Amino acid sequence: SQQGEEDPQALSIQEGENATMNCSYKTSINNLQWYRQNSGRGLVHLILIRSNEREKHSGRLRVTLDTSKKSSSLLITASRAADTASYFCATDPTSGTYKYIFGTGTRLKVLA
Amino acid sequence: DTGVSQDPRHKITKRGQNVTFRCDPISEHNRLYWYRQTLGQGPEFLTYFQNEAQLEKSRLLSDRFSAERPKGSFSTLEIQRTEQGDSAMYLCASSSNGGEGNMFSGANVLTFGAGSRLTVL
Repeated sequence: SQQGEEDPQALSIQEGENATMNCSYKTSINNLQWYRQNSGRGLVHLILIRSNEREKHSGRLRVTLDTSKKSSSLLITASRAADTASYFCATDPTSGTYKYIFGTGTRLKVLA
Repeated sequence: DTGVSQDPRHKITKRGQNVTFRCDPISEHNRLYWYRQTLGQGPEFLTYFQNEAQLEKSRLLSDRFSAERPKGSFSTLEIQRTEQGDSAMYLCASSSNGGEGNMFSGANVLTFGAGSRLTVL
């Protein structure tokens, strides 16, 4: 079953614009990660935020986490055509099983 | 070490046949995961190993699915009597033991392979 739901399901923007995607999840978590998947390929880890953190930055990426609302957002600033991909959030539930549950994904298209 | 390797990359089979996928994780990673992904969906958890022990298996997996990780190194995922609904991308990922997984310790970061795409005719 999917733990997370990403919103929007699809997003199309112009190069240079910012892209924001949101993730909502259902249970308490230890941490939340964001992954990127280029068409037909494996997933690549982007950034991790722990449940005791509220915001984290990595290059052009900014992640926020609101555990009271069980939601996270990923902001990609100054987007490039190479950012075109699907983005997934993955949660590590506190149930102690170490399995990561992925959301349904946001398909981002950056137009040159 | 070139990352997580999966083989074959693409398998086409007829309904009712058995298929086996292999995953070679990053050598120092003790956790290995199998996920299944269908078009337009996120990866769906199937099972995971810590060393050679299979610690959890999704209830979504029928008895036709079995996974092994002998000696805690590579892993195989076998699907018996394949059905058309088994058509999907099968993803393997590995991670190191990041601690207890609580918010004060290290955390798993999954390194994925490129996947094995199964087409059942």
